Amino acid sequence: DVKVTQSSRYLVKRTGEKVFLECVQDMDHENMFWYRQDPGLGLRLIYFSYDVKMKEKGDIPEGYSVSREKKERFSLILESASTNQTSMYLCAAGTPNSPLHFGNGTRLTVT
Amino acid sequence: TQLLEQSPQFLSIQEGENLTVYCNSSSVFSSLQWYRQEPGEGPVLLVTVVTGGEVKKLKRLTFQFGDARKDSSLHITAAQPGDTGLYLCAGHALDDYKLSFGAGTTVTVRA
Repeated sequence: DVKVTQSSRYLVKRTGEKVFLECVQDMDHENMFWYRQDPGLGLRLIYFSYDVKMKEKGDIPEGYSVSREKKERFSLILESASTNQTSMYLCAAGTPNSPLHFGNGTRLTVT
Repeated sequence: TQLLEQSPQFLSIQEGENLTVYCNSSSVFSSLQWYRQEPGEGPVLLVTVVTGGEVKKLKRLTFQFGDARKDSSLHITAAQPGDTGLYLCAGHALDDYKLSFGAGTTVTVRA
């Protein structure tokens, strides 16, 4: 079974801080994704990567950046956290056109 | 506006009752997936449907893909408290490599 691990379950950060969310997968999948999940809005794609050092913007990339230096690791960066970035962040991994394997999420609160 | 519209948003039923969750779109999808998410965890894949008119059964869960591949439904027979969770539909629209999610249906089964 694919295991996707997100480094933190809960994070509390202050407005303006730089925030790093880390995600690691153990099954050598090409594609990795970052979503945010908000009540009533479902999962919205922030960024995805289909290979090392490759990244593509999703539907809501503003205020975020990503890094994929190694195939197994995909990091989400909030350059200057704002309160409207308070959310549940979900990392996922998969192969093209296949179902996704999700991590357990990081609940980020920006105060 | 979301590509996939789920209804209802919330569903609360008594143990032993049946329920149906709907996932609709004006777009055609090459495949549709259903996930279930429990509190504090990431979504977990239940099923993928790929052929128009397809029906798949997973114990007490029945999934149907519309003939035109624009809609899907999830029916649970004799619901149990263990079926409680957030049910999400997701799909790849034609010519779109990104996976789009519905907003989800929160199902509560009371003992």
